[in-house]
Amino acid sequence: EVQLVESGGDLIQPGGSLRLSCVASGFTFSTYWMHWVRQGPGKGLVWVARVSSDGSSTTYADSVKGRFTFSRDNAKSTLYLQMNSLRAEDTAVYYCAREFCTGGSCYGVFDYWGQGTLVTVSS
Amino acid sequence: DIVMTQSPDSLGVSLGERVSINCKSSQSVLHSSNNKNYLAWYQQNPGQPPKLLIYWASTRESGVPDRFSGSGSGTDFTLSISSLQAEDVAVYYCQQYYTTPLTFGGGTKVEIK
Repeated sequence: EVQLVESGGDLIQPGGSLRLSCVASGFTFSTYWMHWVRQGPGKGLVWVARVSSDGSSTTYADSVKGRFTFSRDNAKSTLYLQMNSLRAEDTAVYYCAREFCTGGSCYGVFDYWGQGTLVTVSS
Repeated sequence: DIVMTQSPDSLGVSLGERVSINCKSSQSVLHSSNNKNYLAWYQQNPGQPPKLLIYWASTRESGVPDRFSGSGSGTDFTLSISSLQAEDVAVYYCQQYYTTPLTFGGGTKVEIK
């Protein structure tokens, strides 16, 4: 069974830093691109970032570029999202999600999601 | 960025009635290389992560009931529920995966009337 379990969410002051983790199980983690998607309180879904299967390539939303770093440790089947210079508008539930693959190719569709971890940026 | 616009924002429907949710993209998400629309639909219940319903605009994910269907091409898409069931009360999102940044519609909340 595919499982994604996020952790690390907390209440943090503006300007602070936080590192989120996502532990994966039930699939061959090292072969999948992975993503972070966030959802502000009572709001919609916003894509944050993606990382390639080997961790060599990352892409970020403009809103987090230069502040967030997405990495992975395939030996530990774990994703990391290092978040620096946090702002009130970063307050959200952060989901890690697996990219969907079919016919030998993968696409930016999310077939498995974690339960999310809440980040609250407030003084 | 491709902007995804959903309508309506919310709707109340009686059990057993048909539901239609619209999604419009600011540019075409039809890829000429494979003639596929890079459009997905998700269902999100309160307090839960989203669940993938449909990809390629009209292909149901494994295990999704056949009362859910997707249609459309280019820039205009529709998610339909043929006969609303109580467990379908949720927020529905469309998402384009044609290009990064990947973008979602604002969501449509479906309630029982």
